[in-house]
Amino acid sequence: QKEVEQNSGPLSVPEGAIASLNCTYSDRGSQSFFWYRQYSGKSPELIMSIYSNGDKEDGRFTAQLNKASQYVSLLIRDSQPSDSATYLCEVKTSYDKVIFGPGTSLSVIP
Amino acid sequence: KAGVTQTPRYLIKTRGQQVTLSCSPISGHRSVSWYQQTPGQGLQFLFEYFSETQRNKGNFPGRFSGRQFSNSRSEMNVSTLELGDSALYLCASSLGPGDADTQYFGPGTRLTVL
Repeated sequence: QKEVEQNSGPLSVPEGAIASLNCTYSDRGSQSFFWYRQYSGKSPELIMSIYSNGDKEDGRFTAQLNKASQYVSLLIRDSQPSDSATYLCEVKTSYDKVIFGPGTSLSVIP
Repeated sequence: KAGVTQTPRYLIKTRGQQVTLSCSPISGHRSVSWYQQTPGQGLQFLFEYFSETQRNKGNFPGRFSGRQFSNSRSEMNVSTLELGDSALYLCASSLGPGDADTQYFGPGTRLTVL
């Protein structure tokens, strides 16, 4: 089992729909979780961080964390073609290790 | 505030050579991490430096090394290059190594080994 997994892509959604990206992790003691967006040929840029169970909203983005089930998700509401990118989940584990998931490619169709 | 800068942006080397990449963190950031990104393996952690000390190291061979200077700038070195070292090398800086500290990535150095 990989330490951080993400739903396999590519994920295609129509413009205006909700895109749902999921990330699961194996280290139960992990405390910090981050979502990044990476456009092709560019470096990752932070979308959101989350540390506590529950939802955290920032504009069209909502991160959801469930430590008991060991998953973190990112919802993108009113998806736009400019949201088309690869989304990376980062987990900081209890043993002070940073692990990225393999990424999920999102395509928003106009 | 200026972002993370990396030099050079592109590099072409041949097998067996060595290479040094440079990273200047955001002003005030004292932690620098290095990552290798390839299509097959994704984003993989190389090492992290804080206050000129290596705090953490990923699962890479000893050919990969790094250091951090007193001004927090960091360099990474790859010796005896192999074809498989072709990748995008990303540097990220943060205020410190705390759990809540956010990383900010530089534009990366694209290394091609021929």
